[in-house]
Amino acid sequence: AQSVAQPEDQVNVAEGNPLTVKCTYSVSGNPYLFWYVQYPNRGLQFLLKYITGDNLVKGSYGFEAEFNKSQTSFHLKKPSALVSDSALYFCAVRGGYSSASKIIFGSGTRLSIRP
Amino acid sequence: DSGVTQTPKHLITATGQRVTLRCSPRSGDLSVYWYQQSLDQGLQFLIQYYNGEERAKGNILERFSAQQFPDLHSELNLSSLELGDSALYFCASSVEAGDKNIQYFGAGTRLSVL
Repeated sequence: AQSVAQPEDQVNVAEGNPLTVKCTYSVSGNPYLFWYVQYPNRGLQFLLKYITGDNLVKGSYGFEAEFNKSQTSFHLKKPSALVSDSALYFCAVRGGYSSASKIIFGSGTRLSIRP
Repeated sequence: DSGVTQTPKHLITATGQRVTLRCSPRSGDLSVYWYQQSLDQGLQFLIQYYNGEERAKGNILERFSAQQFPDLHSELNLSSLELGDSALYFCASSVEAGDKNIQYFGAGTRLSVL
């Protein structure tokens, strides 16, 4: 069965420092991995995805994520955090052998950037 | 603006009632997804439609049903409402149904069951 875990409910970082939001997954077959961000009172917005190819994926707003197959991880990173990055971040996985597999979202990590 | 429109934005109703949530996907998107977001359950996938047909089913209760119409808009029907159904309901759309597709989310409908 597919699953995705975001082990941290909250991550606190000072502005200008690097940030990492962790995500690990379990899926049969090749995983398709996504990061979405949710700002208050808004729907989720796509940040980036890994389908195949280069393990380092670059996305919107300066975010990037590294796919690590041996550790089954897909951590979200940014070299220098901004206060405006404060939001709820969701990792999601889709995959397996069915073309109509369900997408599973992690429980979300609240990122708080202090000035 | 994602291009996905959900109505109404807020809905307040009583237990036992029935409501309908509406979603208009982005222009050109054939697939629609419904999600429920609550504090204790997180973001739960409910159901997916592609070009009018059900494509994948998630944790959708039997009291809930959905459909996608020929003009590709979708409705989520929630009946015999319970207090625990209070949540934010999101619709998302994508161009196709496959796993690689990015989903674009609407702003959600906040349902309060009193």
